[in-house]
Amino acid sequence: DAGVIQSPRHEVTEMGQEVTLRCKPISGHNSLFWYRQTMMRGLELLIYFNNNVPIDDSGMPEDRFSAKMPNASFSTLKIQPSEPRDSAVYFCASSPKNRGTAEAFFGQGTRLTVV
Amino acid sequence: AQTVTQSQPEMSVQEAETVTLSCTYDTSESDYYLFWYKQPPSRQMILVIRQEAYKQQNATENRFSVNFQKAAKSFSLKISDSQLGDAAMYFCAYRSPGNQFYFGTGTSLTVIP
Repeated sequence: DAGVIQSPRHEVTEMGQEVTLRCKPISGHNSLFWYRQTMMRGLELLIYFNNNVPIDDSGMPEDRFSAKMPNASFSTLKIQPSEPRDSAVYFCASSPKNRGTAEAFFGQGTRLTVV
Repeated sequence: AQTVTQSQPEMSVQEAETVTLSCTYDTSESDYYLFWYKQPPSRQMILVIRQEAYKQQNATENRFSVNFQKAAKSFSLKISDSQLGDAAMYFCAYRSPGNQFYFGTGTSLTVIP
């Protein structure tokens, strides 16, 4: 398996623009996570899907952020409108829910810069 | 949400020496999992070691071992015979029974030649 695939790897956008980050989880994994990494706050869990259904989105910072998982092999995280404080590395991770010792497998991350 | 605390933002160790990274967590659950991840400059998150809460025996993976103190909710990582390639950011993670993963803020490890 190719692992968790995220795109793009880097994104630079202007304040106010819409940004869409994409993720393809590992086949067969039914849990998907979006994280935001910053120096100050480390890895923050933004939202968690199980079987394509959002289970916990309490980490989504504000209404400008939204996430979808239309099927088992694809998820998006959208920021609209983007702000400079959204600049961070965004990770997608997947995990097979029913395997007790399974770790979360991470993608390479998307480095977002909002200018 | 669960909290994971790593109180050492930075640590350094001499090559070939031993270093211990600290982690504490907060939970009311009895059945959960703990992990240490390594993040080198490439940004890739790499699993180092895992521990199941119901197992009393501390996990070991080659030069990496943990000291799991369930009652104290403590989960430290010991790296023996440190190598230059061990230099990275290390994250402690807690996995809840509901399969949510929570991470600490990380410890940046420098290995001195």
